[in-house]
Amino acid sequence: DQQVKQNSPSLSVQEGRISILNCDYTNSMFDYFLWYKKYPAEGPTFLISISSIKDKNEDGRFTVFLNKSAKHLSLHIVPSQPGDSAVYFCAASADFGNEKLTFGTGTRLTIIP
Amino acid sequence: NAGVMQNPRHLVRRRGQEARLRCSPMKGHSHVYWYRQLPEEGLKFMVYLQKENIIDESGMPKERFSAEFPKEGPSILRIQQVVRGDSAAYFCASSPSAGLNQPQHFGDGTRLSIL
Repeated sequence: DQQVKQNSPSLSVQEGRISILNCDYTNSMFDYFLWYKKYPAEGPTFLISISSIKDKNEDGRFTVFLNKSAKHLSLHIVPSQPGDSAVYFCAASADFGNEKLTFGTGTRLTIIP
Repeated sequence: NAGVMQNPRHLVRRRGQEARLRCSPMKGHSHVYWYRQLPEEGLKFMVYLQKENIIDESGMPKERFSAEFPKEGPSILRIQQVVRGDSAAYFCASSPSAGLNQPQHFGDGTRLSIL
């Protein structure tokens, strides 16, 4: 039962353009959502998060949008840079006091110079 | 380096041996989470510990796997009598507290290979 889904295994974007990564979830109890970036042979690096009381959070080139009615969130990266090439994981947590994360399967983003 | 430290980075074991994976959380963090990543998959939650307490082990296999986070020293994930299917990357994450929606910070993982 995949409660967090990233339906695009890979995405290629031209340098300087916008990258949009999507994530869908099924568990309506999720109330905190995060995006992590992962390079090969390294651990996931936290990028940005959003609480369910918000619908948008911005940090520099990264913006996360949350649509609770659609159970959908997206990560926008603009402008995209070659160093953004990595695997991006969407994650969610549900329980106050126990923030165990449920991860999607990841989207491999490739930025084309 | 003030990040989450995991060792060893790579561990090779033969079937039937024991594997011990260590995790030192970030300074000031008292909550530790272990996750496992199989090839081409996302990370799967295994266990959540606070100092000297297991809070949630719902993701741990029922047999051969155990975890601890003693008052002093790193958190340990122990796998007894390893089998080929235990080959994976094991990641540890830490956070300073619970209930405040604070992101978890991850170590670089231990890659376990079973011969």
